[in-house]
Amino acid sequence: AQSVSQHNHHVILSEAASLELGCNYSYGGTVNLFWYVQYPGQHLQLLLKYFSGDPLVKGIKGFEAEFIKSKFSFNLRKPSVQWSDTAEYFCAVNARRMTTDSWGKLQFGAGTQVVVTP
Amino acid sequence: GAVVSQHPSWVICKSGTSVKIECRSLDFQATTMFWYRQFPKQSLMLMATSNEGSKATYEQGVEKDKFLINHASLTLSTLTVTSAHPEDSSFYICSARGSHTFGSGTRLTVV
Repeated sequence: AQSVSQHNHHVILSEAASLELGCNYSYGGTVNLFWYVQYPGQHLQLLLKYFSGDPLVKGIKGFEAEFIKSKFSFNLRKPSVQWSDTAEYFCAVNARRMTTDSWGKLQFGAGTQVVVTP
Repeated sequence: GAVVSQHPSWVICKSGTSVKIECRSLDFQATTMFWYRQFPKQSLMLMATSNEGSKATYEQGVEKDKFLINHASLTLSTLTVTSAHPEDSSFYICSARGSHTFGSGTRLTVV
């Protein structure tokens, strides 16, 4: 079955620490990959996305993610977090088997709650 | 570009009443929109796919008669929660195919 897995449900770290959030998916075919962030009480915002090309994707707010096809992974990273990065982070994937197919529905991981302490 | 607007941002209603939520694509035409539900501390779950000019496609376990979807134009999809009950209290979010962005969500509280 198609699925998106985020390894950590909760992460607590100090300001200036480095952050890496894992995301693995189980899809066949071609995938589009996304990371979204949801700040407390706010709606989802797109951090970055990968469609094709350079597997290292840079997003907003200093975040980046690397698509490793052989590992079915799309991990999110930030070298030095700030208190304002406290939020929930969602990985999402959609896929299609053939170029003539429509893209499937966007499926989300369970989310990772990140708390950055001062 | 590709902005999706959702209204209202929050609503409180009495049990047994119906609530309509609107999702608009502001600067593009959306033949397909998606409706999600997010319970507290949980991920987004796709409820249904809204297709302009045709019937919506519902995910397994989502009652089509309870969550009525209308997509009458290329820029507007509506979700009506009929005969709402407290267990329908949730955060409802829409998106449009191709935009990769989401509406700001509607916090529904049924009392």
